[in-house]
Amino acid sequence: DTEVTQTPKHLVMGMTNKKSLKCEQHMGHRAMYWYKQKAKKPPELMFVYSYEKLSINESVPSRFSPECPNSSLLNLHLHALQPEDSALYLCASSPQTGDSNQPQHFGDGTRLSIL
Amino acid sequence: AQTVTQSQPEMSVQEAETVTLSCTYDTSESDYYLFWYKQPPSRQMILVIRQEAYKQQNATENRFSVNFQKAAKSFSLKISDSQLGDAAMYFCAYRSPTRGYQKVTFGTGTKLQVIP
Repeated sequence: DTEVTQTPKHLVMGMTNKKSLKCEQHMGHRAMYWYKQKAKKPPELMFVYSYEKLSINESVPSRFSPECPNSSLLNLHLHALQPEDSALYLCASSPQTGDSNQPQHFGDGTRLSIL
Repeated sequence: AQTVTQSQPEMSVQEAETVTLSCTYDTSESDYYLFWYKQPPSRQMILVIRQEAYKQQNATENRFSVNFQKAAKSFSLKISDSQLGDAAMYFCAYRSPTRGYQKVTFGTGTKLQVIP
C-alpha cells in the first residue's frame, strides 16, 4: 500500500488552465517534497517543506505554486503551464529534514500532460 | 554541487544470478548518506538500501548489499539470486548535510532487466 497518496493519477490540461495536484501522508512526517521526473530521467527536486514552511525552492518557475496547509497535506498549484512541463510529478515525505538517514517515502505520482 | 553518476544505462541478469550496479559520486563533504532506490514501471519509488558515510561496514538487506568505497567515492549495489520482481529502474541517491540534509541528488538511473 502506498503511504503517500497523490491525486489525481493522471491530469491533462491546457496551457491556460488552472489545476492543483494533491499529496497526503498520515505517517506523521514533517518534511514533504515535490519532484519533477521526465521520462527515463531521475527525479529533480522542486520544493521542500519543513514543518509546513517552505525551506527549499529550486528556482522553480512561478507558474508552479506549492502550498502546505497542514502537516499531512501538500498541494502544487499549476497555472499557465508550458508543454515542456509535461512530466511525472512525485511527492515524497520523510520524518524530519534533519533525519538524514531516514529515506523519503514516495507517492505513485501524477502524470501531467500539457496540451 | 554534488553529482551522482551511474555509468550503466541498462543492465540485464539471468534469474537467480548476481548483478552489480555501479554508482560514483563527487563531493567535498565528509558526512553524507547514500541510498539506492528502485522504481518499477508505473509504480512508486521505494528504498532498497541505505549507507551512512561514517560507517565503514557495508550495508546489507537480504539479497541486496552495497560495496561502499568512500575514498573512491563509489557506491555499488549487488543483487544476489535475482528475481523477476527485481526488474526496475534503480537510482543511486546522495543526501547532503548542507541545507539540513533536505537535498537529495539522484543519479541518472540503471534499467535492470531480469531474464527468466
